[in-house]
This record gives sequence, C-alpha cells and structure tokens, in this order.
Amino acid sequence: SQTIHQWPATLVQPVGSPLSLECTVEGTSNPNLYWYRQAAGRGLQLLFYSVGIGQISSEVPQNLSASRPQDRQFILSSKKLLLSDSGFYLCAWSGDGDSYNEQFFGPGTRLTVL
Amino acid sequence: AQKITQTQPGMFVQEKEAVTLDCTYDTSDQSYGLFWYKQPSSGEMIFLIYQGSYDEQNATEGRYSLNFQKARKSANLVISASQLGDSAMYFCAMREGPSGGSNYKLTFGKGTLLTVNP
Repeated sequence: SQTIHQWPATLVQPVGSPLSLECTVEGTSNPNLYWYRQAAGRGLQLLFYSVGIGQISSEVPQNLSASRPQDRQFILSSKKLLLSDSGFYLCAWSGDGDSYNEQFFGPGTRLTVL
Repeated sequence: AQKITQTQPGMFVQEKEAVTLDCTYDTSDQSYGLFWYKQPSSGEMIFLIYQGSYDEQNATEGRYSLNFQKARKSANLVISASQLGDSAMYFCAMREGPSGGSNYKLTFGKGTLLTVNP
C-alpha cells in the first residue's frame, strides 16, 4: 500500500531564516506531487505541483520554491522566511492512472515563523 | 468568483442523526470531478467520496453520500447516522477537466466545521 511521509511535523523558525520541508511517497512510482498551504481557519491553497522529476509548476508567486530531486521526493524551500509563511503545509500525491485523480495527503507540517 | 463555495462555516448535529454539508461550484467545463475531504484536528486530509460530472447516480461510500444536482451546480455531502468521530472540518474540492488527463489541480472550498454532539 502507498504511504506518504512529511517531516518535520512542527517547526518554529525566525523571520529571515531558510526553510526545507520534505515529503516522500512509498509504494507507488511516478506519482504527481503537490504542496499546499493552509492558513489558520482557511482552505487549502495549492503552491506547487510536479508531474515528474525536475518538473515543477508554481501556482502562486511567493518566496517559496519546490524541487523534485527523485521520483518520490518533493521538497519545499525558502531562502528567507516571512511572517506570512506561517501555516500548515500539506504534501499530497495522486496516481496518473487513477480513475479519479484523487489526491492523498500526508500528515502535514505546522510552521510558525516568529 | 469563487470556484467552490461552502456557505456553512460551522454545523452542529446530534449523534445518530443525519447532516447535510453544502457545496456549490462554478465551472464552464463539461467534464469535472467533485471531491469531499475530512480534516480531523490532527490535520491530515482524508478522502471521503468522489462524483464525476457524467455520473448519473449519486456517489455513496458507507455513511457518506453525495447529493449531486448538476443544474444547480451543487454537490452536498450527506452524512447519515452521525458519530462523535465525525467531528472535523469538511472540505469540498473540484477538479476541472476530465480525469486521467493533464488536469491535476484541485480547488478547495474554505470548509465547514462539523461538531457532533452526544
């Protein structure tokens, strides 16, 4: 069965510091991968998605970036965090051949920027 | 205009009763998909149910059913026989375009917080 991992689970960082959040998927190959951010009490905002290694599409201009160095690894980064980057970050995957293209989510990382 | 609208920020229901969570959507595509996800306080998003725009019958998954009214562009989630563990945020989402193609993105509503009272 497929599983998706995210770490760290929680993170507190000062403004201006760098960020690296990691997401890995097991039990599937060539997944589509997604990064979402959820602000407190809000819905999910799609940040990036990737259909293959090295292929990244950005949905929202911001100081974040994403990379996909391996088939089942998706990394969210920032060189300098802003206060507005605080939120709950969710990674998700979907299978290209699935009938629904439903997305399966990881446990999330709660980021607080102080 | 918002693509997914969930007008109920919060809902309360008594245990063992049924509850309907509203969702309306906006798209000009003929082929699209509608999803409901549950987000408990732990934060993980759990996929519940899916309805394709060409599906003639309403989707059902156990105690979850989707009341799909295409002309009204609504896709309400019905939870029967509510349980205490159903207390969570519920999100409606839409994929525009046919499944299996290059249409990967989901647009989410702002969610409804359901509280089940004993």
